[in-house]
Amino acid sequence: QQKVQQSPESLTVSEGAMASLNCTFSDGTSNNFRWYRQHSAKGLEVLVSIFSDGEKEEGRFTAHLNRANLHVSLHIREPQPSDSAVYLCAVRSNYQLIWGSGTKLIIKP
Amino acid sequence: EAAVTQSPRNKVTVTGGNVTLSCRQTNSHNYMYWYRQDTGHGLRLIHYSYGAGNLQIGDVPDGYKATRTTQEDFFLLLELASPSQTSLYFCASSDVRLGNAEQFFGPGTRLTVL
Repeated sequence: QQKVQQSPESLTVSEGAMASLNCTFSDGTSNNFRWYRQHSAKGLEVLVSIFSDGEKEEGRFTAHLNRANLHVSLHIREPQPSDSAVYLCAVRSNYQLIWGSGTKLIIKP
Repeated sequence: EAAVTQSPRNKVTVTGGNVTLSCRQTNSHNYMYWYRQDTGHGLRLIHYSYGAGNLQIGDVPDGYKATRTTQEDFFLLLELASPSQTSLYFCASSDVRLGNAEQFFGPGTRLTVL
């Protein structure tokens, strides 16, 4: 079964510096990858969905997918303190979403 | 935008207690899901449904029942709650089947079983 792992567990970045989060998966046949953000006391919001190798940009959020390397990343341009949250990677596998355990991102003013 | 609401937002019960978590979506989505989120495990699917009266088993169904009474309402039932069920529970809905479309999430219910 698909396994999804995220790194790092926690990341602190200064406001305005690029934040980069990583997600590795075990089965490269999937073609459906998503990044979600989870603010405390709120639900999850989808940030970027990517379905083929390469890059997908949604505002300040860019996902890079390399299925040969079993890797999908999320880059946040010009992060602000309001971007402090837990970021979750989800990979489609057999009509289910398999989730990573998240990266806690802290943006320092 | 999709609207999914959950109640209660927080719940404390004792071992052996009976708990019902409620979820309502107002977007006419066919699919609804219940997940639990625990540190180190990400989200894990408990049950899901593709319409009123339908129930499908997810990955971690033991100790949980669920019922979809209408297209809008999906309930998660813990009839004999145990401390291992202390968790953050999310409900979600989507227009088509799991994984094929965006899922819209509720704000979560934090359950503590003492």
